[in-house]
Amino acid sequence: SQTIHQWPATLVQPVGSPLSLECTVEGTSNPNLYWYRQAAGRGLQLLFYSVGIGQISSEVPQNLSASRPQDRQFILSSKKLLLSDSGFYLCAWRGPGDTGELFFGEGSRLTVL
Amino acid sequence: GQNIDQPTEMTATEGAIVQINCTYQTSGFNGLFWYQQHAGEAPTFLSYNVLDGLEEKGRFSSFLSRSKGYSYLLLKELQMKDSASYLCAVMDSNYQLIWGAGTKLIIKP
Repeated sequence: SQTIHQWPATLVQPVGSPLSLECTVEGTSNPNLYWYRQAAGRGLQLLFYSVGIGQISSEVPQNLSASRPQDRQFILSSKKLLLSDSGFYLCAWRGPGDTGELFFGEGSRLTVL
Repeated sequence: GQNIDQPTEMTATEGAIVQINCTYQTSGFNGLFWYQQHAGEAPTFLSYNVLDGLEEKGRFSSFLSRSKGYSYLLLKELQMKDSASYLCAVMDSNYQLIWGAGTKLIIKP
């Protein structure tokens, strides 16, 4: 069966520090992968999606970047964090069925101080 | 612009029935999803509607009217564990998901 994992689960970072969140999927090949951010009281905001290795689409201009170095690995990065980068980050992959529902990783809670 | 509206918060009693509404305005329509999200956790898939009508899955049912841009999630025989946020999302013509802000459901004994 397919599984998705992301880490770390929680991190507190100072303004200006770098960020790296990692997501891996197991049990499937060539998945469509997504990074979302969820702010309190707001809907999920799509940050990046990828349909294959090295293929990254950015949905909003921001302080973040994404990379897909391997088929089942998706990384979210920043060189210098801003206070506004705080939030709940979710990695997801789109299931193979007709509905195409998303399956989410456990989430990463980022607090920038 | 694209927009998904759902109530911010609802309260219901254990054992009762609650209906969570979702209205949408999107560029194209390729299905509507409902997800459940417990506090501090990731969303989990509940239901998918692409045709008009009611889809029933145990205690949960989801309804869709494409002509009205309207859906609801119906939860029966409410349990304390149903306390969570419920997210409505629509897949647009580009097959991207547009998300509502979620409805926080509080269940009281």
